[in-house]
Amino acid sequence: AQKVTQTQTSISVMEKTTVTMDCVYETQDSSYFLFWYKQTASGEIVFLIRQDSYKKENATVGHYSLNFQKPKSSIGLIITATQIEDSAVYFCAMREGSSGSWQLIFGSGTQLTVMP
Amino acid sequence: GALVYQYPRRTICKSGTSMRMECQAVGFQATSVAWYRQSPQKTFELIALSTVNSAIKYEQNFTQEKFPISHPNLSFSSMTVLNAYLEDRGLYLCGAREGYNNQAPLFGEGTRLSVL
Repeated sequence: AQKVTQTQTSISVMEKTTVTMDCVYETQDSSYFLFWYKQTASGEIVFLIRQDSYKKENATVGHYSLNFQKPKSSIGLIITATQIEDSAVYFCAMREGSSGSWQLIFGSGTQLTVMP
Repeated sequence: GALVYQYPRRTICKSGTSMRMECQAVGFQATSVAWYRQSPQKTFELIALSTVNSAIKYEQNFTQEKFPISHPNLSFSSMTVLNAYLEDRGLYLCGAREGYNNQAPLFGEGTRLSVL
C-alpha cells in the first residue's frame, strides 16, 4: 500500500534559522519519485523540489534541500535561512514509478510559521 | 515560465445546483491533467486523471456522472460538479503535467467551492 506520513502538524521557527520537516513513505515499488510542495494562504500549491528514488545525491534547489534516507523511507525537507514568506503548509508527495498513473499520494501537511 | 491558472478562485452555489471550473496551462502543454479535491482538513483526494486522446480515469468514489471532465486540448481542462451538496465543499485543484516523463505536476491556485 502507498502511504505518505508527515507527523509534524505545525512548526514555528525564528526568521533566518534552519528548519527540517519530516516525511516518511511506504511503497512496494523499487522506483518512485518524491516531491515537496508548499501551499500558500491563498490555496496556491507551489512545487519546490523533487527526489528520484534511484538518485543517491540529495536534491538542492535554492534554500531548499532534501535529506533522503532511502533505508528509512524518509525524505525530509530542509529550509535554510528561513524567511517570513516561507510561512505556509508544506506537503510531501510520492508517485510510484511503475504505475501507469501519475497519481500523487500526499501527506497531511506541516504548517510552518516563520516569526520575525 | 510554466503556470497553471484556475477559474474561478471562489464560488458559492446552492445545494442541488451545478458548478463548472476551468484549468488553463500556460507556457507548457498539459498532456495530462489531474483533478484533486482538498478537504477542509487539508487531505487530498484524486478525483480523476485525464490524458489527451485517452479516456478519463476516475478514482473510486468519483464518477463521470457527478464530475464530468473535459480535456479538449493541450492547454485547457474543465470539470463540473453536478448537483453539488455540502459534502462537495472544498478546494478543487488542477494539476497538469507535460509529456510522459516524471516532471513534477504543476498546480493552479484551486477553485474553492462553498455550497449553501
